[in-house]
Amino acid sequence: GENVEQHPSTLSVQEGDSAVIKCTYSDSASNYFPWYKQELGKGPQLIIDIRSNVGEKKDQRIAVTLNKTAKHFSLHITETQPEDSAVYFCAASTYNTDKLIFGTGTRLQVFP
Amino acid sequence: SAVISQKPSRDICQRGTSLTIQCQVDSQVTMMFWYRQQPGQSLTLIATANQGSEATYESGFVIDKFPISRPNLTFSTLTVSNMSPEDSSIYLCSVEKYGTGEQFFGPGTRLTVL
Repeated sequence: GENVEQHPSTLSVQEGDSAVIKCTYSDSASNYFPWYKQELGKGPQLIIDIRSNVGEKKDQRIAVTLNKTAKHFSLHITETQPEDSAVYFCAASTYNTDKLIFGTGTRLQVFP
Repeated sequence: SAVISQKPSRDICQRGTSLTIQCQVDSQVTMMFWYRQQPGQSLTLIATANQGSEATYESGFVIDKFPISRPNLTFSTLTVSNMSPEDSSIYLCSVEKYGTGEQFFGPGTRLTVL
């Protein structure tokens, strides 16, 4: 079955710096890769996703890149702000299963 | 995205008892899912709640421990049966936006078993 690895487990950056979180997946049939942000005491919030027919997607300060050959995808946050502090999860799924397999999470801290 | 609510938001229960968690969505959805998130951990899929038929459970989860109901397209319940302290977790429901694979999560139910 699918396995998703996520690195780093914790990440501390200064406000205004960029943050990058990386994930690798094992199942070459996976074709949908969402990223979730989970704030303390809340459910995960979908912040951006990418499908296997696209190499990069951007939404304001966040972007996701996908390398299908290497089976890895990354989340990029630019101009980080303290409110970006949260736990971020990557996930992978295939259309025919609808099952999301989650990475282990990255705790991002942005210091003012 | 859909608006998803869960009840209760948190509970403290005694071992050996059962708790039923409700998930309500503000629009009809085809796919609903239940996840468990143990303290400080990632999300693990428990089961897919199917409308009008039995839920589909993932490896390591069984119906006797986690019975699920889905009487219609906007509502589902998850029961955690015969609880032990190891069941202390956040339980989350999610719904899929039809045909997209995009899943949206409820706020979660924080369960502590003493």
